[in-house]
Formats: sequence, C-alpha cells, structure tokens
Amino acid sequence: NAGVTQTPKFRILKIGQSMTLQCTQDMNHNYMYWYRQDPGMGLKLIYYSVGAGITDKGEVPNGYNVSRSTTEDFPLRLELAAPSQTSVYFCASRRQGGGEKLFFGSGTQLSVL
Amino acid sequence: GDSVTQMEGPVTLSEEAFLTINCTYTATGYPSLFWYVQYPGEGLQLLLKATKADDKGSNKGFEATYRKETTSFHLEKGSVQVSDSAVYFCALTGANSKLTFGKGITLSVRP
Repeated sequence: NAGVTQTPKFRILKIGQSMTLQCTQDMNHNYMYWYRQDPGMGLKLIYYSVGAGITDKGEVPNGYNVSRSTTEDFPLRLELAAPSQTSVYFCASRRQGGGEKLFFGSGTQLSVL
Repeated sequence: GDSVTQMEGPVTLSEEAFLTINCTYTATGYPSLFWYVQYPGEGLQLLLKATKADDKGSNKGFEATYRKETTSFHLEKGSVQVSDSAVYFCALTGANSKLTFGKGITLSVRP
C-alpha cells in the first residue's frame, strides 16, 4: 500500500528555472494539499483541492500553480524559482470529513540558488 | 480565520519526566482537533485526534482533551522516552476543510 508518493526527494534549482513537484495517492482520497515547511514556522498551506477539477488557494499561493485532472494526482508547479521558495514541500491527502486524518508524503527538499 | 497557537520551544526533558505541550485555537463552528508528530527526516503522522468537545484522544501514552470552554487541546504524557524525541504539531480542521497547523515544537528527551 503506497499511500502518498512524492517525487523528487531532493532538487536544486537555479533562480528563474521551473519545475513540477509530483504527488500521487492510491487511497481514492478526494482532498489533497500542498504545504511548505520552513524552520520554526510550522506548515503553511500553498494550495488544496477537494476533488478532481477543483483547486483553491491556501495561505501562501504566490509563485505556485496546481492542477487536479485526476483524483490520484496533484502536481505543484513552480514557474520562476526564487530563493524564497527554498523549503521542504509536503503533499498530503485525506478522505472527506472534518475528523479524517491527513496522510503525508515523505517530502521534497528544494533549494533555489 | 482559523489559527492554532502552540507554546514556544524547544523543550528538553529527562527520560520518564512528565510532558505538557500547550495548544490553543481560534475557529468558527466546531473544528476537529489533532496532534501530529514528525520524526527526523520523515513526513508528519497523526498522533491523536478529537472531533467534539470533551472528547479525549489518546495514543502511545499521549493524551489530549478537547476543551471548548478554554479553546485548548493540550498534549500530555506521564513518562516520556528517548524515542518520543520529535517535532509535535497541533492542528485543526475548520469549516472550510483546510487543516491549519501550529508552528510546531521540538521535544528532545535525554537518557
């Protein structure tokens, strides 16, 4: 049972480059989320989705884009990488329902130099 | 909007000490409350949860009670172990389906 799978695990980008962080889940969860984690700052929500074809902004969406064409996949796109986007990124998913727990991927460590 | 406030860290304890990590929240309606734990190099995983007032969540010796009157969900453990060293996050799910996290607190337990 794979759960939530994120790729890549590590990446170094140059300023201005673009990349896509991949996230896929095999649990048929409707809800999916992208967070970034910075030291001492907890987790900040970037974007989330409550189902295929539906996405919405979180707290810190600037500089990122997402799409949700299938239930399984929720890629995060960085178009013009900036040093401020150096962070650890986590994808997560859960079933519908307020009390349902989040399942997290193992994270992507991104450095923009 | 929704928010979660955790006590400042880090916290360092000796093995078998009593642990309390404070968490208070602000939310409209009736949120569900969670504690997540992150071990070094890993993603977060659910430790315990409570979905309504006065519920007590418990797991691995940790407990937290949903206190609506004080808007709190403090985490406690009677006797910590070295293996409990991790980062602990308090969180809530509000009416908009978003999960809001506190800043997290690092716990280090000395042998």
